[in-house]
Amino acid sequence: EVQLVESGGGLVQPGGSLRLSCGASGFTFSSDWMSWVRQAPGKGLEWVASIKRDGSETSYVDSVKGRFTISRDNAKNSLYLQMNSLRAEDTAVYYCASSGGGSFDIWGQGTMVTVSS
Amino acid sequence: IVMTQSTHSLPVTPGEPASISCRSSQSLLHSNGYNQLDWYLQKPGQSPQLLIYLGSNRASGVPDRFSGSGSGTDFTLKITRVEAEDAGVYYCMQRLQIPITFGQGTRLEIK
Repeated sequence: EVQLVESGGGLVQPGGSLRLSCGASGFTFSSDWMSWVRQAPGKGLEWVASIKRDGSETSYVDSVKGRFTISRDNAKNSLYLQMNSLRAEDTAVYYCASSGGGSFDIWGQGTMVTVSS
Repeated sequence: IVMTQSTHSLPVTPGEPASISCRSSQSLLHSNGYNQLDWYLQKPGQSPQLLIYLGSNRASGVPDRFSGSGSGTDFTLKITRVEAEDAGVYYCMQRLQIPITFGQGTRLEIK
């Protein structure tokens, strides 16, 4: 079964850090670009970051540049998002998604990140 | 690139057609001849799912009552006969340029 499973979400204070993980199974993880997409409570979808198949290229939305780092370990079929200097506006459900062919064709179930004191 | 879905909520009777529009602030036509526009559906309590890619191609497993059309800056998602299971929020998304951007979403409500 094709699957993405996120973990690592939780409650963190403003200025704090959190590392999200996403485990992949059922498809060739190393062949696909991977991305993180988030959704604030009651809001729409926002692309956060993407990483190339071999990890050699990354891109970020402006609001997280310098604070978030996307990475991957193809040997472990895993995607990561290191989030530093967290702000209240980073509160959201974070989804990992596989970008096979460019579209987000596989999504995880999401992990909730709440930034609050 | 700003993506605009002008209809925020669309009530539809089962069996009736539905049409959702999306406009981009600049052309999404890539030099390869394909429009870099996807449609996603997020059903209540679920993760988003891919419906249409490259403007008009149905994703695997998507019923043929869904179709995508348009080119350049104006795109439309059509459902020929709405079913109860089609309820949710529909998003268009451009992947021509970074940052990838989504429309605000159109909520399809079943009457």
